[in-house]
Amino acid sequence: GAVVSQHPSRVICKSGTSVKIECRSLDFQATTMFWYRQFPKQSLMLMATSNEGSKATYEQGVEKDKFLINHASLTLSTLTVTSAHPEDSSFYICSATRGGRGGRGEQFFGPGTRLTVL
Amino acid sequence: SQKIEQNSEALNIQEGKTATLTCNYTNYSPAYLQWYRQDPGRGPVFLLLIRENEKEKRKERLKVTFDTTLKQSLFHITASQPADSATYLCAFDRGSTLGRLYFGRGTQLTVWP
Repeated sequence: GAVVSQHPSRVICKSGTSVKIECRSLDFQATTMFWYRQFPKQSLMLMATSNEGSKATYEQGVEKDKFLINHASLTLSTLTVTSAHPEDSSFYICSATRGGRGGRGEQFFGPGTRLTVL
Repeated sequence: SQKIEQNSEALNIQEGKTATLTCNYTNYSPAYLQWYRQDPGRGPVFLLLIRENEKEKRKERLKVTFDTTLKQSLFHITASQPADSATYLCAFDRGSTLGRLYFGRGTQLTVWP
């Protein structure tokens, strides 16, 4: 149990376009989901925390107008990278927690989405 | 701001030996500290969680310690195997209601036969 999927696994787009990444909890309800980005040989950097039915909480330095997060249901959160530029190329990973709001405990990660902006 | 450091980028050991990875933190004391395994091109996989009032946690060949005085967590893999080769990440949770995790850079472990 506790499987998280991401779609697409890999995407290549032109500079200036928008890209949507989906994160789904397949066999549990995820009140809280998290979005991270990871550059090669770097740590996971938390971008935002997403709670179902409410606005996402963004980490300092993350542009909320550029990285749009929607958590419309208990099993789906989406991250849209708007007007993508080459510097947005990265590995984007989502995670989800089971249980109550705030998600104490382990996080279940998706397989990640490799975004390349040309 | 919080800072979490893993002492070495890479650790190479021989099969059968015990691997010990270190995670240090500054500025804030985490309420929870977690360890994850990440394979190349994949998302992390949860291994162990230890709370601030716990000294040690074990799971099969894995052991985690948490020393709030030293502000350090040690992660041990006993009887290591080549299949244990991966990047190991530590992460802390400050205990906020959001349950956010902040990750270290990771230590790449290679176990050679």
